[in-house]
Amino acid sequence: EIVMTQSPATLSVSPGERATLSCRASQSVSSNLAWYQQKPGQAPRLLIYGASTRATGIPARFSGSGSGTEFTLTISSLQSEDFAVYYCQQYNNWPRFTFGPGTKVDIK
Amino acid sequence: EVQLVESGGGLVQPGGSLRLSCSASGFTFSSYAMHWVRQAPGKGLEYVSAISSNGGSTYYADSVKGRFTISRDNSKNTLYLQMSSLRAEDTAVYYCVKGSRDRYFDLWGRGTLVTVSS
Repeated sequence: EIVMTQSPATLSVSPGERATLSCRASQSVSSNLAWYQQKPGQAPRLLIYGASTRATGIPARFSGSGSGTEFTLTISSLQSEDFAVYYCQQYNNWPRFTFGPGTKVDIK
Repeated sequence: EVQLVESGGGLVQPGGSLRLSCSASGFTFSSYAMHWVRQAPGKGLEYVSAISSNGGSTYYADSVKGRFTISRDNSKNTLYLQMSSLRAEDTAVYYCVKGSRDRYFDLWGRGTLVTVSS
């Protein structure tokens, strides 16, 4: 099984600042990496797929990068609605998909 | 409207059974693999089960293998998860999820809460 790790567990950021979240896979997943955002009491929402492609309706302040085993999600200027938990997921090894433990982005 | 709506959650005693349903609308249900993902209270996402578009292939996480059965009825646009021998650690919100053609998860339901407790 491919193990996904995320860092940091919690990221405290002020509104308007840049946030950088990391995700690592225990073996190469090529570019088959997605990011999801989850707000309290809501279902997760797809943000990024293919490591760097924004999903429909996702603002340009969200960007993804990386390939192989190292990936990054960047939020260029945090808005109040961006404070949430972010999960990465590999979908390279169908159907053994795995999620990372999540990074909580909260208000500094 | 493209959506997934889960139902069937509730309170069940340890060792009991429950069947979850997920009604799909707004897309060609029979063309896509479908998944169940769960989230225990205050915890992260756990991938539970998958089924191919025609139902011919299924997958289960080790934590539920032998106890849960995923199935689908493409004529009714409905996904199911039959859960038996339920344990306290199965307590979670269960999400129905649509897989895209490239396999990432592009549509999530709102979830249904399953509580296993005596």
